[in-house]
Amino acid sequence: DAGVTQSPTHLIKTRGQQVTLRCSPKSGHDTVSWYQQALGQGPQFIFQYYEEEERQRGNFPDRFSGHQFPNYSSELNVNALLLGDSALYLCASSLADRDYEQYFGPGTRLTVT
Amino acid sequence: TQLLEQSPQFLSIQEGENLTVYCNSSSVFSSLQWYRQEPGEGPVLLVTVVTGGEVKKLKRLTFQFGDARKDSSLHITAAQPGDTGLYLCAGEDNYGQNFVFGPGTRLSVLP
Repeated sequence: DAGVTQSPTHLIKTRGQQVTLRCSPKSGHDTVSWYQQALGQGPQFIFQYYEEEERQRGNFPDRFSGHQFPNYSSELNVNALLLGDSALYLCASSLADRDYEQYFGPGTRLTVT
Repeated sequence: TQLLEQSPQFLSIQEGENLTVYCNSSSVFSSLQWYRQEPGEGPVLLVTVVTGGEVKKLKRLTFQFGDARKDSSLHITAAQPGDTGLYLCAGEDNYGQNFVFGPGTRLSVLP
């Protein structure tokens, strides 16, 4: 049973650049959520995708956008990167009717210099 | 915005000791989840509590949801080094608009 996978594992970008992170959900799951986790803190909810639409969104600026594909995989895009965007980006998948039970991938460590 | 607070922030104990960590809010949550996260990895779901007053056991771990559904606790009996990690509580706000995580309790169990 394939779990949640994310790519890349690590990424280094420069301020002002754009980045795309990718996520494949756990087999059978149809909902994908993205989180930002700064060092020493709990994850912060960015948004959730279901049926290729953004269903819920946290308090993040429009520089953060996403997409869900027909196979339920998802991308997180961040434009105009800031130093403060450096963090671990986590993807979580779930079933739409039990979206509070989330299964997380290992994350992508983004460093902005 | 509904917030979750966790205490203590850090806890270092010897193998075999018992411990309790807490998750508190001033708001009501429809359910709360507990996760454990190890360095360099994503959080792993341990349990979901839904009913006020509910108690769930997972081997040496006991989870309780407060009667008013505003708080939860995690008790570990006879802690082992393998229990070391960041323990996070999380919940969905009443409007179903946002998933909230607490800041976590970082547990270190020394052999």
